[in-house]
Amino acid sequence: AQKVTQAQTEISVVEKEDVTLDCVYETRDTTYYLFWYKQPPSGELVFLIRRNSFDEQNEISGRYSWNFQKSTSSFNFTITASQVVDSAVYFCALRNNAGNMLTFGGGTRLMVKP
Amino acid sequence: EAGVTQFPSHSVIEKGQTVTLRCDPISGHDNLYWYRRVMGKEIKFLLHFVKESKQDESGMPNNRFLAERTGGTYSTLKVQPAELEDSGVYFCASSQGGVGQETQYFGPGTRLLVL
Repeated sequence: AQKVTQAQTEISVVEKEDVTLDCVYETRDTTYYLFWYKQPPSGELVFLIRRNSFDEQNEISGRYSWNFQKSTSSFNFTITASQVVDSAVYFCALRNNAGNMLTFGGGTRLMVKP
Repeated sequence: EAGVTQFPSHSVIEKGQTVTLRCDPISGHDNLYWYRRVMGKEIKFLLHFVKESKQDESGMPNNRFLAERTGGTYSTLKVQPAELEDSGVYFCASSQGGVGQETQYFGPGTRLLVL
């Protein structure tokens, strides 16, 4: 069985602070895919990143960076110099190689205050 | 390129009524998925179409839910009769499928409230 845990249900920061959203996953598969999605107040799920299990390189995209560590089964997401527009619910998700369904974590609500 | 679209955006119905949700995937995407998030819970998988065929419907909660994808284009999800516990947000997603094409792109969701 697969499981994704986002232990932080809600985080509040002040603009320009750095913030890290944690994601821990469980799977028995050796090949799998990890995702982060952003859900702004408008409600849609916006794709941010996909990472394959065999690629542990960290990724940076502007103010966003992701730290994938297979040894700790974690795929954490850091926002540098946060902005009010980053306020949203962020979901981490896992997909194994055999199936196609995504298993989601419970989401982390990030509030960035001016 | 248009993204995944869903209709309606909101629906309020009474217990026992029928509701049909529609999803139009991204053009050219063979894979179509339905998920839902009920209040306070995680987003859960319902089912997966490859073109017009149901590939995996292991997440469908019961036989009050019927999904179709005639012609392999848009999909409908019908709830009949609706119960209070069906309230939540229903998301549709699509993907091209195949190696390197695993990303699922989501629509804005349909917010269903059963009174």
